[in-house]
Amino acid sequence: QQQVKQSPQSLIVQKGGIPIINCAYENTAFDYFPWYQQFPGKGPALLIAIRPDVSEKKEGRFTISFNKSAKQFSLHIMDSQPGDSATYFCAARKGGTASKLTFGTGTRLQVTL
Amino acid sequence: DTAVSQTPKYLVTQMGNDKSIKCEQNLGHDTMYWYKQDSKKFLKIMFSYNNKELIINETVPNRFSPKSPDKAHLNLHINSLELGDSAVYFCASSQDAPLAGVGEQYFGPGTRLTVT
Repeated sequence: QQQVKQSPQSLIVQKGGIPIINCAYENTAFDYFPWYQQFPGKGPALLIAIRPDVSEKKEGRFTISFNKSAKQFSLHIMDSQPGDSATYFCAARKGGTASKLTFGTGTRLQVTL
Repeated sequence: DTAVSQTPKYLVTQMGNDKSIKCEQNLGHDTMYWYKQDSKKFLKIMFSYNNKELIINETVPNRFSPKSPDKAHLNLHINSLELGDSAVYFCASSQDAPLAGVGEQYFGPGTRLTVT
């Protein structure tokens, strides 16, 4: 049972384009939604995160849009660069001490020149 | 100044062997995790320890046994390795706060295990 569904599986955009990666969740107990970026041979690194009390969060060229009623959230990368080429994972976590990140299936992004 | 480190980075072994992966964090965090990333890059949590106490134990074969000698270390021992155990194993850590909840998880560089 995939609790966090992520799409698309892969994405190719040109330099300067705005790739959008979408995630949907079922469990309304989730209260923290991070995005991780993973380069080949490296561990995932937190990129940006949002809580459900806000509809948008922006950090540099990265923006999360959050739609609580639709149980969906998305990552937008403005002015994408070849260095943004990586795999992106959305995740969700329930509150409480036994914290567990449930990851989406990942989106492989390639930004071409 | 590595935050979360794992050894070894690569591990190639034969079926039936027993192997261990070590993880250390120097962030002063009190919670550590093991994740498995399969060949399709799907990341799934295996275990979590808080102050040396096991708090998350997902549906993982008994051949996998985590051990936390102290807050800064979480090792993973795997008995009787099988072909299906081939994957990248990531250690992570976070700092929990009673009111703010669980903090950001920092991941190690991963250990690529190949079972032949």
